[in-house]
Amino acid sequence: GQQVMQIPQYQHVQEGEDFTTYCNSSTTLSNIQWYKQRPGGHPVFLIQLVKSGEVKKQKRLTFQFGEAKKNSSLHITATQTTDVGTYFCAGLSNYQLIWGAGTKLIIKP
Amino acid sequence: GAVVSQHPSWVICKSGTSVKIECRSLDFQATTMFWYRQFPKQSLMLMATSNEGSKATYEQGVEKDKFLINHASLTLSTLTVTSAHPEDSSFYICSARPSVWAQVRQHSPLHFGNGTRLTVT
Repeated sequence: GQQVMQIPQYQHVQEGEDFTTYCNSSTTLSNIQWYKQRPGGHPVFLIQLVKSGEVKKQKRLTFQFGEAKKNSSLHITATQTTDVGTYFCAGLSNYQLIWGAGTKLIIKP
Repeated sequence: GAVVSQHPSWVICKSGTSVKIECRSLDFQATTMFWYRQFPKQSLMLMATSNEGSKATYEQGVEKDKFLINHASLTLSTLTVTSAHPEDSSFYICSARPSVWAQVRQHSPLHFGNGTRLTVT
């Protein structure tokens, strides 16, 4: 079946270091959405990418959608404690939203 | 912005009892709502898609007689866990898609409720 692989599962960073999570789909996606879930909370919609090769920025967050519309990445520059949480990608294919497993961002004490 | 209210936020029940969870879209209409289950440190697992005025569509492996879904209005969907057992303990989250996006299916961000943590003893 259709799958969206997301890696890594966890990423430990020092505050101030960068963070990146990657999603790769087995099929071409209509769009890809990114969500953030804080510990104990619910997923919150961050952004949606629709066009091939699209790049969008939200302050320190940069989102990319691959040319083939099968992969995407989220890059956070200079992480802060407020960035802690799990970041999920969700790809839309055949009107179904397929979720990645999530990448948990952990700030080292 | 679009707000989804989910109630209760947590519930403890005894094995064999039923629990109803409500999901309301507060400031928009939602033709479609989704029910997810999330185990600790895992991703969201779609259980079923709830459509206003029609039967819910269940994902493979989800028992429709155990997880009853009712979507009686454009702002309310309910999930009832019937004859709950300890293995049903989990975090249940609903999400809603504003009806206005229904005409443009490619642009459909989801708005999530706060989730319900169910513990069955």
